[in-house]
Amino acid sequence: AQKITQTQPGMFVQEKEAVTLDCTYDTSDQSYGLFWYKQPSSGEMIFLIYQGSYDEQNATEGRYSLNFQKARKSANLVISASQLGDSAMYFCAMRTYLGTASKLTFGTGTRLQVTL
Amino acid sequence: ETGVTQTPRHLVMGMTNKKSLKCEQHLGHNAMYWYKQSAKKPLELMFVYSLEERVENNSVPSRFSPECPNSSHLFLHLHTLQPEDSALYLCASSQAVLTSGRTGREQFFGPGTRLTVL
Repeated sequence: AQKITQTQPGMFVQEKEAVTLDCTYDTSDQSYGLFWYKQPSSGEMIFLIYQGSYDEQNATEGRYSLNFQKARKSANLVISASQLGDSAMYFCAMRTYLGTASKLTFGTGTRLQVTL
Repeated sequence: ETGVTQTPRHLVMGMTNKKSLKCEQHLGHNAMYWYKQSAKKPLELMFVYSLEERVENNSVPSRFSPECPNSSHLFLHLHTLQPEDSALYLCASSQAVLTSGRTGREQFFGPGTRLTVL
């Protein structure tokens, strides 16, 4: 069974500073994918970044980067130069396969508040 | 319309009502999903359809009944719900994996339907 653990229920960061949101995972699969999603108060889950288990380099997407440490089973999200619009819930998720479809297992999320 | 749309956005229903949630994706995907998001709990996968066939029913009570008439539409039929079923119901879609190549195929989510059962 897959499990995602996010140990930070809430985080504060000042505008323009960087912040790291923690995520650890547990799986016996060799091939898996790790995702981060952002959920603003409107409710929609917005895809941010993806890391494959066989990817040798850490993923980056604009101000988002994923610090992937496979041996430690961690996939932390780093947001650089925080903006007020980054205030939201952030979810780490692991993808496994269900035949031709995929299944996402989510963590409990971290609420990020960006302050002036 | 673009992306994944869900209607209605808000729904209040009594325990004896029957209602349906609708999801439509405009991304050319062929796998669709229902998730439930309750307060202070992780998102829970409820149902998965791939190529219009159900591939996962994650121990969901029978008062929730999914329907996938084609690859663009997904419904969740609700009847005799309980107050603890109040939650945000999210629909998602993705590209089904048809070859041995399994790359990053993220799921795209709709805005959700916030359901309140009285």
